[in-house]
Amino acid sequence: EDQVTQSPEALRLQEGESSSLNCSYTVSGLRGLFWYRQDPGKGPEFLFTLYSAGEEKEKERLKATLTKKESFLHITAPKPEDSATYLCAVQASGANSKLTFGKGITLSVRP
Amino acid sequence: NAGVTQTPKFRVLKTGQSMTLLCAQDMNHEYMYWYRQDPGMGLRLIHYSVGEGTTAKGEVPDGYNVSRLKKQNFLLGLESAAPSQTSVYFCASSFIKRGGLNEQFFGPGTRLTVL
Repeated sequence: EDQVTQSPEALRLQEGESSSLNCSYTVSGLRGLFWYRQDPGKGPEFLFTLYSAGEEKEKERLKATLTKKESFLHITAPKPEDSATYLCAVQASGANSKLTFGKGITLSVRP
Repeated sequence: NAGVTQTPKFRVLKTGQSMTLLCAQDMNHEYMYWYRQDPGMGLRLIHYSVGEGTTAKGEVPDGYNVSRLKKQNFLLGLESAAPSQTSVYFCASSFIKRGGLNEQFFGPGTRLTVL
C-alpha cells in the first residue's frame, strides 16, 4: 500500500526565516510526486511535479527536491502570503489514474 | 477558462436526505475525481472516472454514487445522507501527460453539513 507522510504537521516561521517541509513516501515504484498549496476554504493549487531522483523545481521562494525516499519543499525568505497548507501526493508506477495524498503541513509566516 | 467548477459551494442536509454535487471542467480532461477532505485525514478518493461513461471506486466509496454522462461533467450523489458524510468535497480533473504523469487540478470545494 502506498503511503505518504508529511512532517512537521505545522510550522511557524518568522518572515525571512528559511526552512524546509518534508514528504516521505513508500510506493511500489514512483512515477511522480506532486506538491500542492491549499489556502483556507479553497481547493488545492498545483505547484510542482517531480519524477526523477535528484530533480529540482523552483517557483519564486519555493524549491522542491526529490530523492528515492523523500521530497523537500524548501522555502527561502518566506513572506506572510506564503502561509498555507502544503500537500504532497505520489503516483505509483502502475497507477495511471490515482494519487495518494499526505495529510499536509500547515505553514504560518509571521510578519 | 474557468477550470474546474463545483456546485453548490455550501449545503446543509438532514439525515436521510439526498443530494447531488455537480463538477464541471472546461479543459477537455479525460479523468475526473471526487475526494473528501476531513481534519487530520487528508484527501481521500471517493470515486473516479477515466472517461465519459466510465466510473470506478476509490478508497471510500460507500454511501456515494457517481455518473459521468458527459466528458465535462462528473456528478456525486448521496442517496441517504448521514452525519459521517459531513465533509468538504473536492472535484479534480486531469489528463495523463507524457511519461504517464497525472497532474490533477482541483475545484474550489463544496462544504456539506449533515445534521
